[in-house]
Amino acid sequence: NAGVTQTPKFRILKIGQSMTLQCTQDMNHNYMYWYRQDPGMGLKLIYYSVGAGITDKGEVPNGYNVSRSTTEDFPLRLELAAPSQTSVYFCASSYPGGAYGYTFGSGTRLTVV
Amino acid sequence: AQTVTQSQPEMSVQEAETVTLSCTYDTSESDYYLFWYKQPPSRQMILVIRQEAYKQQNATENRFSVNFQKAAKSFSLKISDSQLGDAAMYFCAYRSAGTNSGYALNFGKGTSLLVTP
Repeated sequence: NAGVTQTPKFRILKIGQSMTLQCTQDMNHNYMYWYRQDPGMGLKLIYYSVGAGITDKGEVPNGYNVSRSTTEDFPLRLELAAPSQTSVYFCASSYPGGAYGYTFGSGTRLTVV
Repeated sequence: AQTVTQSQPEMSVQEAETVTLSCTYDTSESDYYLFWYKQPPSRQMILVIRQEAYKQQNATENRFSVNFQKAAKSFSLKISDSQLGDAAMYFCAYRSAGTNSGYALNFGKGTSLLVTP
């Protein structure tokens, strides 16, 4: 059982470039999330999805876009990368309610130069 | 949004000793869930323990236990018989019982735990 798979694990982007962070889960979880982790700041919610075709903004959505065409996949798109988007990105998933915890991917370390 | 505060950026404990990590939160809700997650240098987020607010009994998982004080809005993590493998960043997280933000977790800034031999 793979859980939540994120690709790539590392990436360096130049300012103004675009990229998509991939996230796939094989647990049939309805709920999926994207977080970013900055040093000393904990994890902040970027976007979330409660099912295929349904997405909504979290606390820090500016500069990002998401889509959810299937239950399994929840890609995060960065348009016009900026140095402020240098961070570690985590994808997570849960059953509705998430009371029993969330499954996290292993993260993507992104550097924008 | 609910605020989660971890007032200890760093803590240190000797192997085999006990350490307590602090967490407080701000909420007007009566029903919610609280979590402690461990993040070792591998970056993986690992669930340590969870607490349901409507349960008065403190959660325990092997060497990990919590002291949940609902009225004080406090949720501390106690690690007994500390081991070198416990060295990591620890995050406290809050989850509303309602559907705000799709049940997303709201994290504190973390406490870095160092375990010395």
